[in-house]
Amino acid sequence: EAGVTQFPSHSVIEKGQTVTLRCDPISGHDNLYWYRRVMGKEIKFLLHFVKESKQDESGMPNNRFLAERTGGTYSTLKVQPAELEDSGVYFCASSPRLAGVGEQYFGPGTRLTVT
Amino acid sequence: GENVEQHPSTLSVQEGDSAVIKCTYSDSASNYFPWYKQELGKRPQLIIDIRSNVGEKKDQRIAVTLNKTAKHFSLHITETQPEDSAVYFCAASPHNFNKFYFGSGTKLNVKP
Repeated sequence: EAGVTQFPSHSVIEKGQTVTLRCDPISGHDNLYWYRRVMGKEIKFLLHFVKESKQDESGMPNNRFLAERTGGTYSTLKVQPAELEDSGVYFCASSPRLAGVGEQYFGPGTRLTVT
Repeated sequence: GENVEQHPSTLSVQEGDSAVIKCTYSDSASNYFPWYKQELGKRPQLIIDIRSNVGEKKDQRIAVTLNKTAKHFSLHITETQPEDSAVYFCAASPHNFNKFYFGSGTKLNVKP
């Protein structure tokens, strides 16, 4: 079984530019999550999809961040325009459960550097 | 919301020694506590988890204990090996919320 994949693995952009991160969850997983780790700090929740619907986007920092999951398969996270404080590692995770809590399977992350 | 504190931030042990990482949480509604291990350049992977109706869980050399009254849980690794070197994250998940609140991570270095 293929794991969660993320693209790109690294991205270096200038302040003010736009970047789109992609996540492909494990096939059949209805739940998809985005998290972010800023250097040395905790992994912070950004948002949660159930299929194509945003279940919880309480962790999204501001309206420069836009997440989509068209068709309930892969998801994209767009940052526009990027700011210096957006630098960090963006993780995607997926899980099969529709209710209750259990293991979330993480992708390898996208390291975003905004200069 | 939930707040998870993790200590220490770095931990260095000699191969064969034990390692203990401690976490506290603030929301008494949290009922699921996973531990993830992230090796250098790799994805975080679940190594053990515990639910609030259990006080302790073991899996070979690793164990997790949970004290609901004090709102803290700990990861214990015995007979450490160099391949245990990694960053370990604790997390808590409140009941009916499908998201994890993570601690800030512990970088464990096992010296051969």
